[in-house]
Amino acid sequence: AQKVTQAQTEISVVEKEDVTLDCVYETRDTTYYLFWYKQPPSGELVFLIRRNSFDEQNEISGRYSWNFQKSTSSFNFTITASQVVDSAVYFCALPVSGNTPLVFGKGTRLSVIA
Amino acid sequence: ETGVTQSPTHLIKTRGQQVTLRCSSQSGHNTVSWYQQALGQGPQFIFQYYREEENGRGNFPPRFSGLQFPNYSSELNVNALELDDSALYLCASSLRGEKLFFGSGTQLSVL
Repeated sequence: AQKVTQAQTEISVVEKEDVTLDCVYETRDTTYYLFWYKQPPSGELVFLIRRNSFDEQNEISGRYSWNFQKSTSSFNFTITASQVVDSAVYFCALPVSGNTPLVFGKGTRLSVIA
Repeated sequence: ETGVTQSPTHLIKTRGQQVTLRCSSQSGHNTVSWYQQALGQGPQFIFQYYREEENGRGNFPPRFSGLQFPNYSSELNVNALELDDSALYLCASSLRGEKLFFGSGTQLSVL
């Protein structure tokens, strides 16, 4: 069965610091997708990224970057120069099959202090 | 293009009652799924509908049921409410097999 572990429950950083959110997953599938979602206080889950297991290249999008390491079953997320608006709960997720349904980790609550 | 909308935003019920939550899918999406998110936890999959048929279900009892309508909007019904049903209920829509887009959820409190 799919499993996602986010060991960091809460992280607090000062604005402009870099922060990395960890995600470790378990799957028996040889091909799969991985996701990150952001949940601000409004409650809506906002899609951030989808990566497939074929592609282990790191990805950068503005201040966000993702480090996918299949050998260690990790898919870590880094925010560079954090901002107060980055404060939210971040979830890593792995589909049961294809793209859905999703198995989520317990989330990491990030607080960025001005 | 409208996003996923859910109603109501908040709801208070008492144990044993029944509740219906509603979701309007994003325009063009034919699949809707529902997730339950308890406080401090990640969302857990309840079930998914594609073209008005349930085509996947998580580990939830039969008192959790749903409907999808021809316009792809959806309802989640919960009978015989229990205290542990208190949670944020999230609806997500997608094209079948594609990534999910979530609504802001309905916060259900069972007293």
